[in-house]
Amino acid sequence: AQKITQTQPGMFVQEKEAVTLDCTYDTSDPSYGLFWYKQPSSGEMIFLIYQGSYDQQNATEGRYSLNFQKARKSANLVISASQLGDSAMYFCAMRRAPSGYSTLTFGKGTMLLVSP
Amino acid sequence: KAGVTQTPRYLIKTRGQQVTLSCSPISGHRSVSWYQQTPGQGLQFLFEYFSETQRNKGNFPGRFSGRQFSNSRSEMNVSTLELGDSALYLCASSLTSGTGNYEQYFGPGTRLTVT
Repeated sequence: AQKITQTQPGMFVQEKEAVTLDCTYDTSDPSYGLFWYKQPSSGEMIFLIYQGSYDQQNATEGRYSLNFQKARKSANLVISASQLGDSAMYFCAMRRAPSGYSTLTFGKGTMLLVSP
Repeated sequence: KAGVTQTPRYLIKTRGQQVTLSCSPISGHRSVSWYQQTPGQGLQFLFEYFSETQRNKGNFPGRFSGRQFSNSRSEMNVSTLELGDSALYLCASSLTSGTGNYEQYFGPGTRLTVT
């Protein structure tokens, strides 16, 4: 079974500062994918970044980067230069790869509030 | 390219009734997954359909069912509604089901309230 743990229920950061959202995972699968999604108050889940378990380099997408430490089973999201629009719930998720399924297992989420 | 659409966006039902939610995936996407999101349980996987076949199912009672049509549109049905079924139901589509970074694109969700 797969499990995602996000230990920070809420995080506060000032605009333009960097913030790290923690995610640890547990799986017995040798191959897997890790995702981060953003969920604003509107409810829609927005894909941010992906890291494959065999990827040699940490993933980056604009202001988002994923600090992947395989031995520690952690996949922390780093947001550089926070913006007011970054205020939202952030979910870490995992999926088996390769597999015949697209099922995502989500963590409980971290609420990020960015202040001016 | 149009995103994932879900209808209706909001729904209020009473206990004992049944409800059908609809999801239209991104054009060309053949995999559709459904998730239930509640404050207490978080995001939980309901089921996944690929080419009209249910490929995977989460740990939900039989009152929750779904189907997928030949155009990849999907519906989920909840019969004999209970108060605990009040949730945001999210649908996600992906290009295919299986290997690689086939990210799931989510719709805006249907917020179901059971009274």
